[in-house]
Amino acid sequence: DQQVKQNSPSLSVQEGRISILNCDYTNSMFDYFLWYKKYPAEGPTFLISISSIKDKNEDGRFTVFLNKSAKHLSLHIVPSQPGDSAVYFCAALFGNEKLTFGTGTRLTIIP
Amino acid sequence: DSGVTQTPKHLITATGQRVTLRCSPRSGDLSVYWYQQSLDQGLQFLIQYYNGEERAKGNILERFSAQQFPDLHSELNLSSLELGDSALYFCASSKSGQGETQYFGPGTRLLVL
Repeated sequence: DQQVKQNSPSLSVQEGRISILNCDYTNSMFDYFLWYKKYPAEGPTFLISISSIKDKNEDGRFTVFLNKSAKHLSLHIVPSQPGDSAVYFCAALFGNEKLTFGTGTRLTIIP
Repeated sequence: DSGVTQTPKHLITATGQRVTLRCSPRSGDLSVYWYQQSLDQGLQFLIQYYNGEERAKGNILERFSAQQFPDLHSELNLSSLELGDSALYFCASSKSGQGETQYFGPGTRLLVL
């Protein structure tokens, strides 16, 4: 049972435009959400997070939006840069410390 | 560089064998987590240790075991290896393990032939 879903396995975006990565979850007990970025042959790198008591968190070019009623979160990257090309994982936590990950979305930024 | 180190980087072994993967957490972090990423799979949580004690268990097979030592480094032992155990194994650490951000190591790529 996939509690955290990233339904788009891949996404291509023109450099300078906005990249929007989506994530849906089924467990309403999740109270903390994170986005990780992963390059080939490297471990996931923490990008940005959001608590369930907020609906938006911004850090530079990265903004995460949380819609609890829809059990949906999204990561916006603007403007997109070539170095943003990577696999992005959405992850969720509740109560304990076990991260539940989505299957990832491969983002390709086209120069 | 996350500050989490993992060795070895690559491991090739045969079915039926046993291997040990090692992880050193970031300085000051007490909690260590192990994850497995198989081909076309997301990251699957295996097990968590906090200050030497097992805290949470995920989809970890009985053939696998782990421990965290007094110096806080951790080892993941995989035995009676099968072809399907070929995967990337990641270690992550966090300060107290209380719902904080986890920082990941570079992973160990295991290939079972």
